[in-house]
Amino acid sequence: DAGITQSPRHKVTETGTPVTLRCHQTENHRYMYWYRQDPGHGLRLIHYSYGVKDTDKGEVSDGYSVSRSKTEDFLLTLESATSSQTSVYFCAIGTTTYEQYFGPGTRLTVT
Amino acid sequence: ILNVEQSPQSLHVQEGDSTNFTCSFPSSNFYALHWYRWETAKSPEALFVMTLNGDEKKKGRISATLNTKEGYSYLYIKGSQPEDSATYLCASPGSGAGSYQLTFGKGTKLSVIP
Repeated sequence: DAGITQSPRHKVTETGTPVTLRCHQTENHRYMYWYRQDPGHGLRLIHYSYGVKDTDKGEVSDGYSVSRSKTEDFLLTLESATSSQTSVYFCAIGTTTYEQYFGPGTRLTVT
Repeated sequence: ILNVEQSPQSLHVQEGDSTNFTCSFPSSNFYALHWYRWETAKSPEALFVMTLNGDEKKKGRISATLNTKEGYSYLYIKGSQPEDSATYLCASPGSGAGSYQLTFGKGTKLSVIP
């Protein structure tokens, strides 16, 4: 157990509404990542963080923003949710040996 | 973006059969190759981290080999059991050491038929 929690675990929201997903870790890891999982695409990196207030874009960052105001929390925000953002979102923490440990996932449905 | 490819995309085997699948990755600037096991409705779990050419790792009935010169890794499952049914992902860091991101393949979905 890598001490990673995600909230909420499930969410249904309407198109155009803002949504924030939270990832919380208890292990004090510097590196954190947000992925989305879609059929036929595997895991794709949305954004990542390499420290407090240090974030960068991943492969599929359009329509998403992130914030990391403290080591333990990494927030993913959908400014105006669209149906194409219906997905399962995984947070992960990373080590300097490239190992990553994943949270339980958040299933988001945008109607 | 690093190109990590897995084959086959899916595989159905009978209980007791042995099976294997492939992960291919760029051989230049190689740093590490990761294998994950991902059961339906759960999160990916790390199986192996492989760094040296010729490396072989084993966990129970699952083993993996690594060829960094030609850019591939094989995952083997001996005597498949229904509980081995999962998607197996491989991943490699981008841009060599210093970039702590992983690029994942799309996975091989294994179904073991009782």
